Amino acid sequence: QKEVEQNSGPLSVPEGAIASLNCTYSDRGSQSFFWYRQYSGKSPELIMFIYSNGDKEDGRFTAQLNKASQYVSLLIRDSQPSDSATYLCAVEAGNNRKLIWGLGTSLAVNP
Amino acid sequence: EPEVTQTPSHQVTQMGQEVILRCVPISNHLYFYWYRQILGQKVEFLVSFYNNEISEKSEIFDDQFSVERPDGSNFTLKIRSTKLEDSAMYFCASRGTGEFYEQYFGPGTRLTVT
Repeated sequence: QKEVEQNSGPLSVPEGAIASLNCTYSDRGSQSFFWYRQYSGKSPELIMFIYSNGDKEDGRFTAQLNKASQYVSLLIRDSQPSDSATYLCAVEAGNNRKLIWGLGTSLAVNP
Repeated sequence: EPEVTQTPSHQVTQMGQEVILRCVPISNHLYFYWYRQILGQKVEFLVSFYNNEISEKSEIFDDQFSVERPDGSNFTLKIRSTKLEDSAMYFCASRGTGEFYEQYFGPGTRLTVT
């Protein structure tokens, strides 16, 4: 059974700080990894995807992938109150590229 | 910017009734998916659809569920006889072809079975 695990939080950071969100996955053959943001009652919104080991930066967001450790992380720099949401880690699986999801980490950015 | 749309946004139905959830994927996408999320739980894969047929389905997707692409734009999920435990948010997603393409999600349909 392929699993994706996240710390459910809540993670609370002050405005302007760096928020660090972590995710581990069980399928060593996984190749594609995604971070989605979900506001309460809304659909997942893609923030970033990463396929290669190392770091990938997009604005205030940096995704980090370590396939040997089966670990993906998301860093949010200069956190804003509008970043307060649940962050979902998703891993592609199988030939049909379905997504296997973590439970999500709830992030609260305090003004 | 192209987006995935879903209707209705909220559906209330009685147990045992049939419901059809509708989705319009992004026009040049060829892979379509349905996921559901029960309140407070993980998003779960239900089914994937490619080339006018189901390409993969999960254990959740039993005989009560079916999917269809009745025309060139719509993609539907039917639940034949709803149960209380079918109450959830249902999300449609689509993706383009190629090695590295992400899935884009619709706004979801909240299904409430009473």
